[in-house]
Amino acid sequence: GAVVSQHPSWVICKSGTSVKIECRSLDFQATTMFWYRQFPKQSLMLMATSNEGSKATYEQGVEKDKFLINHASLTLSTLTVTSAHPEDSSFYICSASPGTVYGYTFGSGTRLTVV
Amino acid sequence: AQSVTQLDSQVPVFEEAPVELRCNYSSSVSVYLFWYVQYPNQGLQLLLKYLSGSTLVKGINGFEAEFNKSQTSFHLRKPSVHISDTAEYFCAASTGTASKLTFGTGTRLQVTL
Repeated sequence: GAVVSQHPSWVICKSGTSVKIECRSLDFQATTMFWYRQFPKQSLMLMATSNEGSKATYEQGVEKDKFLINHASLTLSTLTVTSAHPEDSSFYICSASPGTVYGYTFGSGTRLTVV
Repeated sequence: AQSVTQLDSQVPVFEEAPVELRCNYSSSVSVYLFWYVQYPNQGLQLLLKYLSGSTLVKGINGFEAEFNKSQTSFHLRKPSVHISDTAEYFCAASTGTASKLTFGTGTRLQVTL
């Protein structure tokens, strides 16, 4: 139980285009989901907290117009990287929790490469 | 605010030797503590967690950790490592699962023959 599915696992896009990444909780409802970014050989950096039915809460320094987050249902949150540039290339990971006793479950990540 | 410190960026160890990965935290309130493992180009897999109760927590793959409130530590241990344990290990803390996780910088465990 407590599975989070993330799609796609990798994507290559041209500079200037937009890319959407999906994060789904498969067997539980998640009112809150988290989006992280990870640079090579570094830790995870929280980008934003996605809240079902309301606006996401972005961490300081994260451009909300560039990284659009939508959490339209209790099982799906999406991250759209708009007008992507090579510096947006990174590993993006989502996370959610079915409840305190379960802790947090992470998606398998999305490797974004912008060329 | 809370913070998590992993003192060792890399830990080399021979197969079948014991290992300890260190983690210290700071928080003004009670925290939940987690250890995750990450293999290359993959997401994070939960090894174990401390929410409350017994301070010795046993996890998957033979790992265990001990919560020490006085030393604000949550070190991860395994009595005998295997080659397949080679990975990146992250310690993390939160004040509740509706709250964000704060990660340490990670420790690369390199197991060799």
